[in-house]
Order: sequence, then C-alpha cells, then structure tokens
Amino acid sequence: DAKTTQPNSMESNEEEPVHLPCNHSTISGTDYIHWYRQLPSQGPEYVIHGLTSNVNNRMASLAIAEDRKSSTLILHRATLRDAAVYYCILTSGGGADGLTFGKGTHLIIQP
Amino acid sequence: KAGVTQTPRYLIKTRGQQVTLSCSPISGHRSVSWYQQTPGQGLQFLFEYFSETQRNKGNFPGRFSGRQFSNSRSEMNVSTLELGDSALYLCASSLASQAHGLGKLFFGSGTQLSVL
Repeated sequence: DAKTTQPNSMESNEEEPVHLPCNHSTISGTDYIHWYRQLPSQGPEYVIHGLTSNVNNRMASLAIAEDRKSSTLILHRATLRDAAVYYCILTSGGGADGLTFGKGTHLIIQP
Repeated sequence: KAGVTQTPRYLIKTRGQQVTLSCSPISGHRSVSWYQQTPGQGLQFLFEYFSETQRNKGNFPGRFSGRQFSNSRSEMNVSTLELGDSALYLCASSLASQAHGLGKLFFGSGTQLSVL
C-alpha cells in the first residue's frame, strides 16, 4: 500500500484557517486521497476525498498538488470542535483493500 | 437514518476466553469492515465483508474471524484472547458495491475490549 506522511501534531487558533499537509510520494494513478478525522471517544469520520482535482465540501477543502505527491486539507475557519486526529489515507482503485491509517495529525485548537 | 451500531460498547474478558462483537451497518450498506485501534499501533484493518463474502483480510492471526449475515449485519470473533487484544474495535459500513475502493466509510463508536 502506498504510504502517507503527516506531521504528528499541529496547533492553530480558533476562527483561523488551518492547512494540514500530507505527503504521498509513492501514490499510483488509481489511488484516491481520503481524509478522515477522529474526535475523542468516537470512530473516525469522513471529511473529504479526491483523485486529481481540488475538492470542496461543507466541512473542508482538499488541495491536491499537480504531481499528486502531496495534498493539503484546508479547514477554512477552525472551531474548537475541529480538534481531532486527522488521517490522510490512500485507497487503491484496483482492489478491495482496507484503509491503511497512519498515525495522523493531532490538531489542537486554541481558543 | 440510523448510523452504524456496535454492541456492546464495553467488554471485559480474561485471557483464553473468546469474544463476539456485533455491528449493524447503515440501512442499505452492504460492505462492512472491521478495524482494531490501539495506542501503539493505531488503526489497523482486520477484514471486510460484502454480501456475506470476505473480500479482503488484514494481517491478523487466525484467532480473529468474522462473518456477515444476509441482512448485512456482521459479527467479529476473537478466540483464545491475549492481553494484547485489548483495543477499541471499530466497524465501518459503506455503499461500496465494486471490488475496488471502499468509498466513503461510516464508522461506529466501537467496542472497547479489555483483556485481563
């Protein structure tokens, strides 16, 4: 499975934008980039996913580099409820593999 | 629409015992996958079922098994429990109907298993 690299932790202030980076230099052409987040005492929650083009939804935006070797999850205006562990994951388009979660980025939001 | 339901929420067992965990997926979802989460190893994939068939399996010993029923509900069984099996076991369901890609997963809150 292609692997991803994320910073262990990041800190941001409430109501400011947050950019969470993810490196995936060995990504293949059929791999989708998914982001999930896990709040304390809960299961992971889907945030967004994309293949080549940038994506937006009500939760966040996903910016994908032109060479697809990196991506950035953007929270436009962080709130205290966004404090969670964020996982960047690649899913293969060619097999029914389970998601391979790395350690993720622990996002801390300061009031 | 009800979310993914896992029962029980908490479980305490002793070494050598066996345990069965249950997962009810979101209505209409036919894919169910299971994950183990520990502080040291993070989230690790156990297996995935679709239409009562195991489609893929992670790197876990044979003591870990599962099954899926015709109503898509799934159970996971761990036999001969070891201390290291203490973990949060998460179930996720998906609409994925193809042999590739799991699509968007919806996770339950998990079953916290403690092995003493």
